[in-house]
Parts: sequence; structure tokens; C-alpha cells
Amino acid sequence: DIQMTQSPSTLSASVGDRVTITCRASQSIRNWLAWYQQKPGKAPKLLIYKASSLESAVPSRFSGSGSGTEFTLTISSLQPDDFATYYCQHYDSYPITFGQGTRLEIK
Amino acid sequence: EVQLVESGGGLVQPGGSLRLSCAASGFTFNNKWMSWVRQAPGKGLEWVAIIKPDGSDKKYVDSVKGRFTISRDNAKNSLYLQMNSLRVEDTAVYYCARNTATDALFDFWGQGTLVTVSS
Repeated sequence: DIQMTQSPSTLSASVGDRVTITCRASQSIRNWLAWYQQKPGKAPKLLIYKASSLESAVPSRFSGSGSGTEFTLTISSLQPDDFATYYCQHYDSYPITFGQGTRLEIK
Repeated sequence: EVQLVESGGGLVQPGGSLRLSCAASGFTFNNKWMSWVRQAPGKGLEWVAIIKPDGSDKKYVDSVKGRFTISRDNAKNSLYLQMNSLRVEDTAVYYCARNTATDALFDFWGQGTLVTVSS
């Protein structure tokens, strides 16, 4: 199985900050990577697919990059609505697996 | 408007069974792969199972193989998860999720139904 490892596990930041979350795969997944945002008590929401493609209606301050085994999610200027938990997910092969999550909290 | 509404969760004893349902609307259900994804309390996301639009292909995470069965009824726009031999570690919120047309990622999720396995 492909293991997905996110860092950091928790990130403290302020409104307006630029933040980056990293996701590493245990083997190459080409660019078959997605990013999700989840708020407490809510279902996850797709943000990025194919490593760098922005899902429809997602604000352009979100961006993704990477290929192979290392990927990043960047939020260019944090907004109050962005404080949430973020997950990466590979879909290169089965089983599909997620990273353990990165909690983005207000500093 | 796309909607996925799960039902069927609840409290069950270890070794028991439960059947989850997901009612889909707002899109053409019979041409979409569909999945179940779960989340244990305070934990991360775990993909459970996926089914092809015509039901002819199904895949499962190893931890549920032989115990869980994913199925669908395209005439009723419904997805199901039959869960047998339930274990304490199956306790989670179970989400019904729509896969994109070509890939095994999830572009729309239901709100989830809680399954608690406890004696």
C-alpha cells in the first residue's frame, strides 16, 4: 500500500499569512494527488486534483504543486474561512489512501 | 443541486450487522463510480470501498474485505454498504462519496452517518 505522510500535523498561522503544507508518498504516484479541506462536523471538500488543478469554485489563493513523491498545498493569503483540517489523498492505485491530516489553526 | 443523503447508522454490538444507504439526487447516478469513506472519532479519513457504475467491479480496503459489501441500485439512485461481523474499530462516521468521471477521487460527499460498535 502507498503511505501518505503530511507535515506539519498542526500549523499555527495568522490571517494574511502564506502557508504551505507538504505531502509525501511512499512511492511515486505521478500526479494522482488530491487535496481536501474539512471543517469540524462537516464533510470534506475537494480543493485540488491532479496535484495542481483547482476544483471549480475554489478560491485562487489555493494552489497545489509537485509530482512523483512530494507535493505541496499553498494558501497564498489566509482568510478566516481557511482555518480547518487539510488532507491529501492519492488515487494512483488501490487501496486509495489519505494523509493523516494537517490542522491549520489561528495563531 | 447534487445531494447525497446517508442513513442506517446506529449502535450495534460487536459481531453484529448494519446496512447503510445513500440516496443520490441532482446528477446522473448510473454513470458515476461511487464510494464509502469513513472517519473514526477524532481521526483521519479512510477509504472503504468503491463500485463501478454498473456494479460489475468493486474494490475494498483490506480491513473490511470479506465483511463489508458495497452495492447499488441504479433504478433507485441508491448506494449501499452491508456491514457484517462488525468490530469496535469499525466505529466511525461513514460518508457516501461521488467519484469523478475518470478518477478515484471524491468530488462530492454526503454529510455522513455515525456507526458505533460497542457492547
